[in-house]
Amino acid sequence: NAGVTQTPKFQVLKTGQSMTLQCAQDMNHEYMSWYRQDPGMGLRLIHYSVGAGITDQGEVPNGYNVSRSTTEDFPLRLLSAAPSQTSVYFCASSPVDGKANYGYTFGSGTRLTVV
Amino acid sequence: AQSVTQPDIHITVSEGASLELRCNYSYGATPYLFWYVQSPGQGLQLLLKYFSGDTLVQGIKGFEAEFKRSQSSFNLRKPSVHWSDAAEYFCAAGGDSSYKLIFGSGTRLLVRP
Repeated sequence: NAGVTQTPKFQVLKTGQSMTLQCAQDMNHEYMSWYRQDPGMGLRLIHYSVGAGITDQGEVPNGYNVSRSTTEDFPLRLLSAAPSQTSVYFCASSPVDGKANYGYTFGSGTRLTVV
Repeated sequence: AQSVTQPDIHITVSEGASLELRCNYSYGATPYLFWYVQSPGQGLQLLLKYFSGDTLVQGIKGFEAEFKRSQSSFNLRKPSVHWSDAAEYFCAAGGDSSYKLIFGSGTRLLVRP
């Protein structure tokens, strides 16, 4: 089925460890983004990309890195995990020809716990 | 500053009763508006969207929403709630000048049998 695939679904990290959250889409969407979801705070934008080789920071980028080498993939890297990064992470994608017209297609999320 | 406000953190309704979830926005121009639903442990699914034209928009699962420019609101409604509608609902806004969506903090809907 077409859509946005996130892996892993669950992850426990120790403070200071690094890891990469994977996101892939097969809809040829140029726009991809990462959000984190915390109770009572809705979704906050971490990083986004409007095409291969183009990335930019969102609302809460500190502690996270991204790259976009292909249209399909948009991995999120935690270089040195901290307990404050315990959250549920969502990847979302959209075509760009209509800016925000289309809404997003979301992945099913990665639940990350940092101990 | 651009923002989306969902004033109700939780709402409980009885099965078969009508539902209205509130959403207010603050945006420089007329935004594109969206409602998403998130079932437990799942990602967000698009329910409906408003771009322009008819201010009453129909979505999936029997939901509708009405855009009211004078009140800066985009409330979600359903005439008869089913137990399967229990979920968290998010309102979001975007615009012509940005790919980014701004999300509200969500409203959790509980359905009494």
